[in-house]
Amino acid sequence: SQKIEQNSEALNIQEGKTATLTCNYTNYSPAYLQWYRQDPGRGPVFLLLIRENEKEKRKERLKVTFDTTLKQSLFHITASQPADSATYLCALGGFKTIFGAGTRLFVKA
Amino acid sequence: SAVISQKPSRDICQRGTSLTIQCQVDSQVTMMFWYRQQPGQSLTLIATANQGSEATYESGFVIDKFPISRPNLTFSTLTVSNMSPEDSSIYLCSVEPHGSGRDSEQFFGPGTRLTVL
Repeated sequence: SQKIEQNSEALNIQEGKTATLTCNYTNYSPAYLQWYRQDPGRGPVFLLLIRENEKEKRKERLKVTFDTTLKQSLFHITASQPADSATYLCALGGFKTIFGAGTRLFVKA
Repeated sequence: SAVISQKPSRDICQRGTSLTIQCQVDSQVTMMFWYRQQPGQSLTLIATANQGSEATYESGFVIDKFPISRPNLTFSTLTVSNMSPEDSSIYLCSVEPHGSGRDSEQFFGPGTRLTVL
């Protein structure tokens, strides 16, 4: 069955540094991959979508890479800020959308 | 984009009772989705609700336990029936206003936090 793995351990980084989150998947060939942000007590909020034929996509301080050979996506937040602290979910899209459990990011001032 | 509201935002219910969760969207959408999210877990799709037809349920979810209504293009309800403590979770509705195959981002409601005693 399809499986998505995100680091279950929280990521703690210092303000101003680059945060890098990983999403690995197996038994699936997604047409696209998405990243969402979820704050406590709220629904996920869409951040970025990258398609299978795209290697990299950027939006302001965010950068996503997608390696269909490695079956991996990396999500980078540059110049991180305490306001970036949240849980980040990756989701594989295609016939249906499948979500990972998310990685909690803490950015310390 | 789409703005989604859910009612109630949270509830505490007794075992054996039922709760109906409402989801309202500020624009007309073809498909609405209902998810469950347990603490520390990924979002699990319960069913897809299309207006004018029966909802499509995912493996492990059945209509008798989670009946869904979709009376129009902006509204849906999910009922959690005959609840047990295992049903304690956050329930989220979402939409894909642009449809799959294009900008297939989903917009989510704020969720309903359900606790069953």
